[in-house]
Amino acid sequence: QKEVEQNSGPLSVPEGAIASLNCTYSDRGSQSFFWYRQYSGKSPELIMSIYSNGDKEDGRFTAQLNKASQYVSLLIRDSQPSDSATYLCAVNKGSNYKLTFGKGTLLTVNP
Amino acid sequence: EAGVVQSPRYKIIEKKQPVAFWCNPISGHNTLYWYLQNLGQGPELLIRYENEEAVDDSQLPKDRFSAERLKGVDSTLKIQPAELGDSAVYLCASSAPDRAYEQYFGPGTRLTVT
Repeated sequence: QKEVEQNSGPLSVPEGAIASLNCTYSDRGSQSFFWYRQYSGKSPELIMSIYSNGDKEDGRFTAQLNKASQYVSLLIRDSQPSDSATYLCAVNKGSNYKLTFGKGTLLTVNP
Repeated sequence: EAGVVQSPRYKIIEKKQPVAFWCNPISGHNTLYWYLQNLGQGPELLIRYENEEAVDDSQLPKDRFSAERLKGVDSTLKIQPAELGDSAVYLCASSAPDRAYEQYFGPGTRLTVT
């Protein structure tokens, strides 16, 4: 089992819809969870962090964490074509600040 | 606030040649990371520095890779000799002392080994 798993996609949604991106992780000791956005040919950009169970909202983005089920998700409301990118889930297991990344999910928002 | 700076952005070399990448982190960020990203994969940590000390280099292939951060600011990652399989994007990231889990990436160096 891979440490961090994401559906590689592509996930295609129409403009204005809600995009739902999911991530599961294998280590129950994981403590910190992050979503990065990566446009084609660019570097990853941190967009959300979540540390405790529940929801965290920031603008059109909502991160959801369920440690019991070992999954973290990212919802993008009112999706825009500019949201088209690969979304990387990253997990930190402890105090060593090492992030383990999933392979990413390619999101395409169609006008 | 300026972001993480990396150079060069692109590098093409022949196998067995040496290559070096340079990184300048965000001002005030004491932790610096070098990652490798292959196409279709997430970044993989090579080495982490806290100030000038390499605190995690367990994933660095030490037979051909080396890194330094002499004054605790800029860092250089070197490969000697390069192999075809080293073709990838090399990313540098940094994080602040009070928010160490939140890492900010530079634009990367795309290395092609022919």
